[in-house]
Amino acid sequence: GESVGLHLPTLSVQEGDNSIINCAYSNSASDYFIWYKQESGKGPQFIIDIRSNMDKRQGQRVTVLLNKTVKHLSLQIAATQPGDSAVYFCAVILTGGGNKLTFGTGTQLKVEL
Amino acid sequence: DAGITQSPRYKITETGRQVTLMCHQTWSHSYMFWYRQDLGHGLRLIYYSAAADITDKGEVPDGYVVSRSKTENFPLTLESATRSQTSVYFCASSVGPNSPLHFGNGTRLTVT
Repeated sequence: GESVGLHLPTLSVQEGDNSIINCAYSNSASDYFIWYKQESGKGPQFIIDIRSNMDKRQGQRVTVLLNKTVKHLSLQIAATQPGDSAVYFCAVILTGGGNKLTFGTGTQLKVEL
Repeated sequence: DAGITQSPRYKITETGRQVTLMCHQTWSHSYMFWYRQDLGHGLRLIYYSAAADITDKGEVPDGYVVSRSKTENFPLTLESATRSQTSVYFCASSVGPNSPLHFGNGTRLTVT
């Protein structure tokens, strides 16, 4: 199986600063990783994904870094904005796992003005 | 583009009653999923389906039944609701293996 943990339940940052949210996973057979954002009263929203054959992927204001050696994943948000306030989840799929995601417990990102 | 819709958004039911949560997607995605979200547990997989007429258990399937007679619909039934099934339920779909899941906005179910 797989277990996924996030390092901090809450992260507070100043508007305009960069945010880094971390995630650890347990199974080295994990081969697909996704970050989701969840706002209050809504379902998780896809942000960015990365496959195990990569160690970095960039999107608009977001970067995901994957370190397979230590089984660690991070999400970096540049120039954090008030609209980035939400709970962020990492999710992992095992090779041959039938596209079943295992989720971490989430980090609440609070953006202070 | 409706995407994935869940109904109802809110439901209150009594212990022992049967209740069905509906999920409909307009993308013709092969895979569909049901998750429940509880404080302290995050999102946990109840059931999933890789295609019409193919379903399989997830992490917490007890007390739930699913069916998938059509690709676009994936209803979740609680046969005899219990208080421990009070939760927020999310339906999701994906185009195939190793692809992102896209979630609905959830059904908040309260069992009294």
